[in-house]
Amino acid sequence: SQQGEEDPQALSIQEGENATMNCSYKTSINNLQWYRQNSGRGLVHLILIRSNEREKHSGRLRVTLDTSKKSSSLLITASRAADTASYFCATVFLGGNEKLTFGTGTRLTIIP
Amino acid sequence: KAGVTQTPRYLIKTRGQQVTLSCSPISGHRSVSWYQQTPGQGLQFLFEYFSETQRNKGNFPGRFSGRQFSNSRSEMNVSTLELGDSALYLCASSLAGGYLVEQFFGPGTRLTVL
Repeated sequence: SQQGEEDPQALSIQEGENATMNCSYKTSINNLQWYRQNSGRGLVHLILIRSNEREKHSGRLRVTLDTSKKSSSLLITASRAADTASYFCATVFLGGNEKLTFGTGTRLTIIP
Repeated sequence: KAGVTQTPRYLIKTRGQQVTLSCSPISGHRSVSWYQQTPGQGLQFLFEYFSETQRNKGNFPGRFSGRQFSNSRSEMNVSTLELGDSALYLCASSLAGGYLVEQFFGPGTRLTVL
């Protein structure tokens, strides 16, 4: 399967700490996107990083991409209770059908 | 701009019935995609429509179908419902076709099949 895998599956940290989630995939990509989902609701787009980029920032979010290792990480700094959610990476593969393939997700819980 | 809307939000059906779900994209967006989310299989791509044409299709049986209207609104239909079709169905819209830009997701329709 081309589905990405995320690590860890679940993460609990204290409010104010940093949270890091990792995503690995199997084939070459055009871009990789991170999404957040609160409690079985719709997904919210966080960051899109293209295959020729290595790092992107958006507010308290930092995404890195290592195409040689076929992996990406999402760092949330100074976590807040409102960051409690599931986080998914999604990839667009080169040469395949143009569709988003989602990873398995990381469930992040911020403890106040 | 209003976000992506999906109706209904919740639906209960019995096996063998059929169901139609609706998605209204953000104004000006011409691409609409549908996804199924279940605890066991995660998020899986169903199909994408762009300018009333199906551009891409996932690995789902023919019981799952969709269409897009000239105003970009989209519907998906599931016929002969099975228990395993219970899921959260999400639609997403984007300005352009393909996935080179971000997707905007609706809140989803929670379908329960009894």
